[in-house]
Amino acid sequence: ETGVTQTPRHLVMGMTNKKSLKCEQHLGHNAMYWYKQSAKKPLELMFVYNFKEQTENNSVPSRFSPECPNSSHLFLHLHTLQPEDSALYLCASSQEETVLGTDTQYFGPGTRLTVL
Amino acid sequence: AQTVTQSQPEMSVQEAETVTLSCTYDTSENNYYLFWYKQPPSRQMILVIRQEAYKQQNATENRFSVNFQKAAKSFSLKISDSQLGDTAMYFCAFMIHFFQGAQKLVFGQGTRLTINP
Repeated sequence: ETGVTQTPRHLVMGMTNKKSLKCEQHLGHNAMYWYKQSAKKPLELMFVYNFKEQTENNSVPSRFSPECPNSSHLFLHLHTLQPEDSALYLCASSQEETVLGTDTQYFGPGTRLTVL
Repeated sequence: AQTVTQSQPEMSVQEAETVTLSCTYDTSENNYYLFWYKQPPSRQMILVIRQEAYKQQNATENRFSVNFQKAAKSFSLKISDSQLGDTAMYFCAFMIHFFQGAQKLVFGQGTRLTINP
């Protein structure tokens, strides 16, 4: 499955580091998402970009900063993270319609982040 | 508030058996979609099957089928002739649309399914 790719697959960083996660979709979709998956918790939606505009920020701390330069690429910039931010970060994309249509979200393989 | 509940944290069956994973959800919406995703050890979240709430007919996809009971807000997944490759975490998810047509997926906590040889 190569429709949605994420790099890096694994990342270990200190609390004072600055790093970025990258997501790229090759499906021609126009909406992209960041999710956080922590142990024993449901997936949590973090950010939504629809037509390159951020339409949802689900009360995410400012140490997470998303960037969507075009409809194919999505970044998550990380700075001064905490150990509790260690999780699997999943990117997804979908084709949005203006009416309830046939959109489905397709996920990337995730980045396993460990904050020391 | 929209919530999704999967009451079975773990399940285990023998290869070739049939297994049913349960899911209930809560919403005041009338038009929505329901999904089952699987996440194998590779961590890739893969769509298994989807159901439109306005359709009465239950969705099927090869060995996978759902039992959608809209009034009861229940959405169970049946896997027939289970295979070793079906071993994974299975997530039930509920989707609504919000501002500017973007989607919001609400996930359950997942059921870890193990298929034994």
